[in-house]
This record gives sequence, C-alpha cells and structure tokens, in this order.
Amino acid sequence: GAVVSQHPSRVICKSGTSVKIECRSLDFQATTMFWYRQFPKKSLMLMATSNEGSKATYEQGVEKDKFLINHASLTLSTLTVTSAHPEDSSFYICSARDLRDGTNYGYTFGSGTRLTVV
Amino acid sequence: DAKTTQPTSMDCAEGRAANLPCNHSTISGNEYVYWYRQIHSQGPQYIIHGLKNNETNEMASLIITEDRKSSTLILPHATLRDTAVYYCIVRVGNTGNQFYFGTGTSLTVIP
Repeated sequence: GAVVSQHPSRVICKSGTSVKIECRSLDFQATTMFWYRQFPKKSLMLMATSNEGSKATYEQGVEKDKFLINHASLTLSTLTVTSAHPEDSSFYICSARDLRDGTNYGYTFGSGTRLTVV
Repeated sequence: DAKTTQPTSMDCAEGRAANLPCNHSTISGNEYVYWYRQIHSQGPQYIIHGLKNNETNEMASLIITEDRKSSTLILPHATLRDTAVYYCIVRVGNTGNQFYFGTGTSLTVIP
C-alpha cells in the first residue's frame, strides 16, 4: 500500500532557530499533501494544504511566514518552522493522497515529527 | 471545522465487539464517512470508509444509517492493540480534499 515517510521523527532545536520537516510519498506521486499539528491529548489540527508547483493554502489562523511550506516535486513536501519558540513544540504530521486509487480511499499519514523547542 | 461528534471515551472488554458511534447530521449527499485511528505518538491509520452502504474489511465493519446522519464502527473482536483514539471524519472542503479531525473517541480495551 501507499507509504508516507516523515523525517526526522524527533527534533530538538533552540529557540530562535529554524527546523525543516520532510514528508515523502515513497511509492506514489502526490500533487497534494497536508500538514497537521497536534498538541498533547488534543486532536489533529489541519495547518495547510501543500500543492505541488504552487503556493500552499493555509488554514485560518496559521501564519504562513512562520510555517513555510514547499512542495517542489510530486513526492516531497517540506514544512519549515521559522524562528521557532517553545510554543511551537508539537507533533507535526503530514498526509498525502494516492491518486492511483480512483475511489475516495488513499489518504495516508506519515508517522509524525515530534518537535521540541528549548 | 469538524462535522462529526463522538463520545470522548469508551471501554471494551478484550475479545468482545467494540461499537463506536459517530453523529454527522449535516453530511451532504456526496460526502463519505471515513474512520481512522491513532495509536499514541503515531500517525493516523486508515480503517474503513463508506458512502451509504455498510462496508466490511479485514479490520472492521462500518454501519451507516439510512438517513446517513450517523454511523457505527464495529471492531468485531477487540484486542489490546486496538486501544487507540478513533476518529470519524466526513470529507469536507470545496476541493473535497481536506480532512478535518474532530475530537475522536479514546477506546481502551480492557484485559
């Protein structure tokens, strides 16, 4: 089945630095990927929709200059958390849709990235 | 915003069927109901989805009411590994692509 890989699985960074998270579709192409964040004991919150070759679409309240998204190829989307602060510490998860499947199945999620800002 | 409501938590005895309800009273005619689950500190895992007919796969069964305003996910023989948060999601968005997660049901399977 479709596999989405996220890297790194865990990252610790200093406050004020930037960190990049990669999301790759390993065995399929994805024109669209999605980025979520999840705080402890909370549900997943959609942050943005990443579109290959064009600008990402951000959900209301998500700062696009803070969370930079690049989707330069059909198999890779990156999320860069710029000038990270402790409140950015969270679990970040990406997902992608395998368009080979003509039904509405095919939303595969990555294993997530645990970001801790110290 | 999520268009579903689920109980916050449920318990189920190991080996028994787990029945997880979901209300989606404002679902549109062309919207599907999806179920995912998330085991602690992992990404969500697809379970099953359906439009209006009942569906069954190797993991679970999905029962959708005739008016489509609610559904039930059934895990026929719950095991300890089924302990997770279960999310019922209705696919929304103008493009039909986005998934918005609700609060989910935390299922605990008890030995």
